[in-house]
Amino acid sequence: SQELEQSPQSLIVQEGKNLTINCTSSKTLYGLYWYKQKYGEGLIFLMMLQKGGEEKSHEKITAKLDEKKQQSSLHITASQPSHAGIYLCGADIRRDDKIIFGKGTRLHILP
Amino acid sequence: EAQVTQNPRYLITVTGKKLTVTCSQNMNHEYMSWYRQDPGLGLRQIYYSMNVEVTDKGDVPEGYKVSRKEKRNFPLILESPSPNQTSLYFCASSFEGPLPDTQYFGPGTRLTVL
Repeated sequence: SQELEQSPQSLIVQEGKNLTINCTSSKTLYGLYWYKQKYGEGLIFLMMLQKGGEEKSHEKITAKLDEKKQQSSLHITASQPSHAGIYLCGADIRRDDKIIFGKGTRLHILP
Repeated sequence: EAQVTQNPRYLITVTGKKLTVTCSQNMNHEYMSWYRQDPGLGLRQIYYSMNVEVTDKGDVPEGYKVSRKEKRNFPLILESPSPNQTSLYFCASSFEGPLPDTQYFGPGTRLTVL
């Protein structure tokens, strides 16, 4: 089974709507990274969460880490076309100093 | 401008023809890494390097080689490419090691092996 599960796999939302992407780990999360990837391009670091309950924001994107649920959620408020892309979460869940990535969530924004 | 560059960005080749994808960073980062990204499989690490002359296998190293003779460069070598190595490849670097606050990614190299 996938060590980091992202849901949903893809998401289509109307511009201006809010949305949430989840990243669930099969093991304890000691730190989690969120990246955004424009289609066919490189990854852009969004934020890193290190502690349970931690919440960070980057413009209209907010991410939280729930250690008990072994889950992180990424929330976008008032989505815009510029938010379209693939969102990936990554974490060192094997505790071997390597980041394992989820398969990504494809986000499409309808004008 | 701080960046990770990869060359070429696109490459179509044939089975068995050796190729090298270059990766260079201008941030004096110690840690560099190669990933491949495939539909349905996500991003998987191929090799990584903690510093000059120090390299180690990631999750999918078979069929690949790397070298780290200089801090800024980390080329990915495919000695005998096969169609299952058709993928989108990313190089990444960071200053602090494998779990940094920020890991910089290159723009990607789309490789097709016929």
